[in-house]
Amino acid sequence: EAGVTQFPSHSVIEKGQTVTLRCDPISGHDNLYWYRRVMGKEIKFLLHFVKESKQDESGMPNNRFLAERTGGTYSTLKVQPAELEDSGVYFCASSQDLGQNTEAFFGQGTRLTVV
Amino acid sequence: AQSVTQLGSHVSVSEGALVLLRCNYSSSVPPYLFWYVQYPNQGLQLLLKYTSAATLVKGINGFEAEFKKSETSFHLTKPSAHMSDAAEYFCAVSPITGNQFYFGTGTSLTVIP
Repeated sequence: EAGVTQFPSHSVIEKGQTVTLRCDPISGHDNLYWYRRVMGKEIKFLLHFVKESKQDESGMPNNRFLAERTGGTYSTLKVQPAELEDSGVYFCASSQDLGQNTEAFFGQGTRLTVV
Repeated sequence: AQSVTQLGSHVSVSEGALVLLRCNYSSSVPPYLFWYVQYPNQGLQLLLKYTSAATLVKGINGFEAEFKKSETSFHLTKPSAHMSDAAEYFCAVSPITGNQFYFGTGTSLTVIP
């Protein structure tokens, strides 16, 4: 069974450009999460989808970030326009449901560098 | 509010020595606690989790952690380090398993031959 897959693994863009990150969750997982780790700091929650609906987007830094999950399958996270402080590793995770016995599975992350 | 503090961003141990990675948490509700590991070029992998059952939790690769409510701690240990344990380790707390995680800053473990 395929795990959570993220594309690209690395991206280097110039300040002001647009970048779109993609996450393919494990098939059948309704819950999808985006997290970000800025260098040397903790991994921080960005948002949570349940199927195609945004359940919680309280961690989104500002309106330059747009997340979508059309059809409730894969998700994209667009940064437009990118700023230097957006650099970091973006992680995606998915889980089948919520509860004591569920587990969230993480992708390998996308390392974004804004220069 | 939920938060996690990991003491020591870098820990070095000799091969065969005890591994101790520290984690303290703050939670306004009974927490679920986790340790994740990230090997180079891989995603975060669940090592173990505490979900209000036994306070001593055993995970994969010989790791275990003990939930101590009085100390608000969830330290990760392994009796004997192996070279393959070199990775970054993250402690996390969640109010509900599978929901939003609050992570610590991570501890990079180096194993010296």
